[in-house]
Amino acid sequence: EAGVVQSPRYKIIEKKQPVAFWCNPISGHNTLYWYLQNLGQGPELLIRYENEEAVDDSQLPKDRFSAERLKGVDSTLKIQPAELGDSAVYLCASTPAWGGEQFFGPGTRLTVL
Amino acid sequence: TQLLEQSPQFLSIQEGENLTVYCNSSSVFSSLQWYRQEPGEGPVLLVTVVTGGEVKKLKRLTFQFGDARKDSSLHITAAQPGDTGLYLCAGAWNAGNMLTFGGGTRLMVKP
Repeated sequence: EAGVVQSPRYKIIEKKQPVAFWCNPISGHNTLYWYLQNLGQGPELLIRYENEEAVDDSQLPKDRFSAERLKGVDSTLKIQPAELGDSAVYLCASTPAWGGEQFFGPGTRLTVL
Repeated sequence: TQLLEQSPQFLSIQEGENLTVYCNSSSVFSSLQWYRQEPGEGPVLLVTVVTGGEVKKLKRLTFQFGDARKDSSLHITAAQPGDTGLYLCAGAWNAGNMLTFGGGTRLMVKP
């Protein structure tokens, strides 16, 4: 069974440019999470989806970050415009609706120059 | 401020040595998980502990949940180079599985 798929794996952009990350969760997993992970630190939750509904986006910087999961399957996280401090790894995770183990994707490493 | 404090932040040891990593909080968790993350990959779940005082073993790894469910430890016996990685603890306050991660312990085991 395929795991959580994320693309691109790496992205280098200049500040003030837009960027988007894509995540395809494990088939049948209704809950999807986006995390931000700074170098050498633990992941921090940005947003959680239950199907297509964002049920917790309190940590998402809404002035520049947006996310969508229109059909309740794959999801896109966007930053516009990117800032130097946004350089980090963006992780996507999914879990069945009843909770349990979160399965993480490999992440997208963003470098903002 | 991290709600879950992990110590040490970095640990470099020789193959065959034992080590313990700690995860501490002032909050009570309904469950606590330990993950291992290798460079370029996402975290992978090692274990979930639920009951205060619970001890779980996974080969050379022993996990313990504190009696008050505020802290946990991970003990590795006879560490091997393959144990190298970032070890993360994560606590959940309820069955909804919202996780709060600690800052991680970066372990390097030298051959």
